[in-house]
Order: sequence, then C-alpha cells, then structure tokens
Amino acid sequence: QVQLVESGGGLVKPGGSLRLSCAASGFTFSDYYMSWIRQAPGKGLEWLSYISTSSRFIYYADSVEGRFTISRDNAKNSLYLQMNSLRAEDTAVYYCAKYYYGSGSYIDYWGQGTLVTVSS
Amino acid sequence: QSVLTQPPSVSGAPGQRVTISCTGSSSNIGAGYDVHWYQQLPGTAPKVLIYGNSNRPSGVPDRFSASKSGTSASLAITGLQAEDEADYYCQSYDSSLSGSSVFGSGTKVTVL
Repeated sequence: QVQLVESGGGLVKPGGSLRLSCAASGFTFSDYYMSWIRQAPGKGLEWLSYISTSSRFIYYADSVEGRFTISRDNAKNSLYLQMNSLRAEDTAVYYCAKYYYGSGSYIDYWGQGTLVTVSS
Repeated sequence: QSVLTQPPSVSGAPGQRVTISCTGSSSNIGAGYDVHWYQQLPGTAPKVLIYGNSNRPSGVPDRFSASKSGTSASLAITGLQAEDEADYYCQSYDSSLSGSSVFGSGTKVTVL
C-alpha cells in the first residue's frame, strides 16, 4: 500500500532553515508528481509546491516562492522541501502528498504530516 | 482568502442529509476544471473523498456524493453518521494562479 512518511519537522527560530523529507513506498515513485501542502494551526489547507516526475516542472505558491525549494530523488524514492528564511507564519503541519497530475489533478495519498514551529 | 468559498460550518442530526457548497469563478470551476473533495477527521491527515467531480475512491461509502454546475460544486452527505463529523475541503485548478490547484476554505460538519 502507498505510504508517505515525513520527517524533519521541529522548532526553529525566525530566519532559520529546515529541511523536510518524505519517504515514499508502495508505488513507482518516479512515475508520479509529488507535492507539499501545509496547514497552519486551526486553519485550512494551503498548496505550497509541486514537482514533476523528472523535476522539470516545479510550482511554488507566492507565499513561499524564493524561500522554499522542492526537490526529489527518484533513486531514493524521496521528496524534499528546503525551507529558508522561516517566518512565524510558516508554523504549520506540512504534508507530503502524491499528486495525480492529469486532466483533473488531485491528491490521492497524503502523509501523516510533520509539524514545523517557527518561534524565538 | 481562498478563491473557492465554502460555508464555515454545517450541521445536521444523525440520518439527515447535509450539503456543502464550493463556489468558484470563471478561472476555476466555471472554466470546466474538475472539482475534488477531501475529508479531514479530527487530528488526522486529509483523505480524498470524491475525485473528478463525482467519483468515489474504493472504500468511500455511497452516502457521499458530489456534483458540479456552472461556477459551483456541492458535496452531499445522506444518512449523516457520527463518524462523518470532520472538516471537508473542495479543490480545483485555477488558471489565474500560475498553474496550480487551490483548496476551498473548508467546512466543519457537526453531527448534532
């Protein structure tokens, strides 16, 4: 079965950096787009970024453009999110997600999430 | 402020029917892009409930149904059960957002 396991979350000071990882299993990782989505405490879902199968196509939400970098290693079945210049408003649960990208793109599997807290 | 608007909350008694609206515009739902729905139970990650406007993944009960018309979509839950108490989000593609999908603002369903 599909499994997505995030790691790397934690407490970081404003202006700091953090790298999230997502280990994927149960499907052919290199065949699928992947995405990062976050949810601030008590708030809704925010689509942050997605990456195509070969990393050729990448999207970032305006809120993280220039600060966050998505990447993947198909040989390791892993997805990453490098987060720099973190702000208090980046505090959220970050979900790794398998992105069915086609005529109607949607998330068909979600990880359990990892909490990132930005605070001094 | 999401480009897909949902009511913050809806409620109903067990066994009743509730509906959740998802109102978009000509750059998303109205442009013909598919609408998808997710259920997020308390303290858990979201899961897909409906994909491609009206399709249920295996394992999703048939008391969940969805439709789309014009610039809006709706999710219906018939025979409401206690375990349906959750947050529900719609999602679609938006051509004004540099090539990305967007989530609705979310709706909390409370079973009275």
